[in-house]
Amino acid sequence: AQKVTQAQTEISVVEKEDVTLDCVYETRDTTYYLFWYKQPPSGELVFLIRRNSFDEQNEISGRYSWNFQKSTSSFNFTITASQVVDSAVYFCALRLGGSQGNLIFGKGTKLSVKP
Amino acid sequence: AAGVIQSPRHLIKEKRETATLKCYPIPRHDTVYWYQQGPGQDPQFLISFYEKMQSDKGSIPDRFSAQQFSDYHSELNMSSLELGDSALYFCASSFGRPNYNEQFFGPGTRLTVL
Repeated sequence: AQKVTQAQTEISVVEKEDVTLDCVYETRDTTYYLFWYKQPPSGELVFLIRRNSFDEQNEISGRYSWNFQKSTSSFNFTITASQVVDSAVYFCALRLGGSQGNLIFGKGTKLSVKP
Repeated sequence: AAGVIQSPRHLIKEKRETATLKCYPIPRHDTVYWYQQGPGQDPQFLISFYEKMQSDKGSIPDRFSAQQFSDYHSELNMSSLELGDSALYFCASSFGRPNYNEQFFGPGTRLTVL
């Protein structure tokens, strides 16, 4: 069965702290895709990153970085020097490599960054 | 850049009424997905269309139906509404076969059933 687990329900940090959001996935498929989405209080879903199962290279985009490790089935997301505007719910999602295109979401992690 | 458009943004209905949600994908996108996000929940996949044909079906109730039209916009029809249907409904679009490219989400339609 396919599943995404985000064990951290809520995280609260003070501005400028670094924070890591954990994501563990389960699938027996060898080809799959992993995503992170941000959902601010306004409600929209903002795409952050996609990773293919055959590309374990880590990625950095500004203050955001992602660590993909197939050995532990994890795709963790780190925000460096957090800012109040980073406050949102963050979803990790899985998409399989077959004909289905739908995303399987984790339960989300609510991040609160306090000034 | 043009984004996915959803209308209406907010909708209030009574129990047992019907509702129609509309989704206009990004120009040239031919695949549309519908997701339902209950309060405090993660988005759940409902149904998807590629080139005006249903491509996959998730946890969509029988009371709901959807279709994709010749201009690629899609409509989600919901009948005999229940209190539990209150949720944020997202439409996402992508170009090409499902699972081929990124899904871009619309702002969502917030449905409240009283």
